[in-house]
Amino acid sequence: QVQLQESGPGLVKPSETLSLTCTVSGDSVRDYIWTWIRQPPGKGLEWVGDFDNRGGTDYNPSLKGRVAISGDTSKNQFSLRLSSVTAADTAVYYCARVDAAAYFDSWGQGTLVTVSS
Amino acid sequence: QSVLTQPPSASGTPGQRITISCSGSSSNIGSNPVSWYQQLPGTAPKVLIYSDNQRPSGVPDRFSGSKSGTSASLAISGLQSEDEADYYCASWDDSLNGPVFGGGTNLTVL
Repeated sequence: QVQLQESGPGLVKPSETLSLTCTVSGDSVRDYIWTWIRQPPGKGLEWVGDFDNRGGTDYNPSLKGRVAISGDTSKNQFSLRLSSVTAADTAVYYCARVDAAAYFDSWGQGTLVTVSS
Repeated sequence: QSVLTQPPSASGTPGQRITISCSGSSSNIGSNPVSWYQQLPGTAPKVLIYSDNQRPSGVPDRFSGSKSGTSASLAISGLQSEDEADYYCASWDDSLNGPVFGGGTNLTVL
């Protein structure tokens, strides 16, 4: 059974870059599409972007070029970088696997990232 | 403002059947499959329904999904106290070229 685990700093200063890594076990990042989804405190879910098994990426246009997702097949990980962060980027960030039927079938436990000086 | 529209809250008594609606448009629900997620307090979302009305293994048959046009619904029958959670619908959006979510419905079991 696939398991996902997010890791990274829980506190980031405004204008700096948020960096998170998702470590996958029980499956290979070479298979499926992998995604980042975030949830501001007390609010709903928002898609951040995808990384696929050919190294292709798709991003939410609302993030206006601040986001980059990459994969490391040697470590079976994929990573998120979000630059020029503001308080509006404070959220629980989840990594998840996208099933071929276009739904999120496995999720990490999530990690809270707070943007504050 | 979420692309998909859900009622912010719903409630029911144990044993009752309730439905949660999810309204979208031709660029998402009208042309793409819908999935539903349950999020218990302090935990990650868990898929309940995919491809409009399919249940992953392990999800009780008390949960069912349906879709008509640009709207979808999640039905929960035999309501139980452990069903208290937030519920989200999701679908691919052809205009965004990515998935979109509803704002979530908080279910209270009275």
